[in-house]
Amino acid sequence: QQQVKQSPQSLIVQKGGISIINCAYENTAFDYFPWYQQFPGKGPALLIAIRPDVSEKKEGRFTISFNKSAKQFSLHIMDSQPGDSATYFCAASRSGANNLFFGTGTRLTVIP
Amino acid sequence: EAGVAQSPRYKIIEKRQSVAFWCNPISGHATLYWYQQILGQGPKLLIQFQNNGVVDDSQLPKDRFSAERLKGVDSTLKIQPAKLEDSAVYLCASSLMSAVGSPLHFGNGTRLTVT
Repeated sequence: QQQVKQSPQSLIVQKGGISIINCAYENTAFDYFPWYQQFPGKGPALLIAIRPDVSEKKEGRFTISFNKSAKQFSLHIMDSQPGDSATYFCAASRSGANNLFFGTGTRLTVIP
Repeated sequence: EAGVAQSPRYKIIEKRQSVAFWCNPISGHATLYWYQQILGQGPKLLIQFQNNGVVDDSQLPKDRFSAERLKGVDSTLKIQPAKLEDSAVYLCASSLMSAVGSPLHFGNGTRLTVT
């Protein structure tokens, strides 16, 4: 059973465009929602994270939007660059535990 | 700060053979995790250690998988006997604390191919 559902599976964006990746969850005990970026042959690296007490968090070109009532959250990458081409995973963990449940990943390709 | 070190990088074995992976976490990180990442999927937690004690091993196939973290530092993950479906990347991660929100730092993984 997939605890965190992620879409789309793959995404192609022009350089300078906006990349949007969506995730949804069912477990209301989740209270920490990070996004990880993974390049081929490398381990995932934390990109940005949010707690459910805020609806949006922005770090540079990366923004998480969080909708607690809909149990959905999304990653927006503004001014997408070819160097952003990677696989992105959303994840969630529940109160009292730091083990992450990952989505299935989105392979982003930014075309120059 | 040195990252999480894992070895070997690649391993090819035949089914029913045994294999072991090694992980050295970031210095001072009390919490260590082993994740399994099957091709095209997100990582799935196998086991979580706090120092040298097990916090969560509910997803570990205990009939064939075992893990230990001696002295609360390095860790080894063993598979015996291996099955074809064990082909995956095995990722080790560490975090400073076990509290929610303590960032996980991943190693580059060991890619296992079972033939």
